[in-house]
Amino acid sequence: DTAVSQTPKYLVTQMGNDKSIKCEQNLGHDTMYWYKQDSKKFLKIMFSYNNKELIINETVPNRFSPKSPDKAHLNLHINSLELGDSAVYFCASSQDYPLLGLSSYEQYFGPGTRLTVT
Amino acid sequence: AQSVTQPDIHITVSEGASLELRCNYSYGATPYLFWYVQSPGQGLQLLLKYFSGDTLVQGIKGFEAEFKRSQSSFNLRKPSVHWSDAAEYFCAVSTSVTYNYFFGFGTRLKVLA
Repeated sequence: DTAVSQTPKYLVTQMGNDKSIKCEQNLGHDTMYWYKQDSKKFLKIMFSYNNKELIINETVPNRFSPKSPDKAHLNLHINSLELGDSAVYFCASSQDYPLLGLSSYEQYFGPGTRLTVT
Repeated sequence: AQSVTQPDIHITVSEGASLELRCNYSYGATPYLFWYVQSPGQGLQLLLKYFSGDTLVQGIKGFEAEFKRSQSSFNLRKPSVHWSDAAEYFCAVSTSVTYNYFFGFGTRLKVLA
């Protein structure tokens, strides 16, 4: 069973289009994340959701909007795609232990979605 | 603000040689530290983590890392590298306060046969 899955694996689209990337985790984790990995392999956290509530929202353009229909899913919707949005997008999840004062426990990553905007 | 530095962008070692990948962090309190590995075209996989206790932690695939508070370091080591270890390695730091994660820029490991 795949722990964290993403669809599609590859996405090629033109500038100005709107697209979505889906993410599902079957680990029962409380928190899910979206990361962007640029061509230099730098990983930058974009969003995280805990129990359907946005916890952090890095300074990403508002063209990017995370949507979480339930605890197991965190989809990423992108409006008006630009060339600079081309990257690999990773979804991840983690289990948090608030009683132990632990957060951001180790993360489990999906395989990534390579987005190419032409 | 928290940050992670991996001083080496590329490292090349011969198969069977020992390996050490460096990681330095910046954080005022005790951090939670992680090493991840990313094979080409794949997502990240956790190698090991440090939360507290013994400063030498063992991970998967024969890797270990040592937390040194005085040096703000969490270096990854392996005594004998295999060709399959060729990948990108990321050090990460997290905190107990916020749901936030900071990754280093990564170190690309090349293994010579």
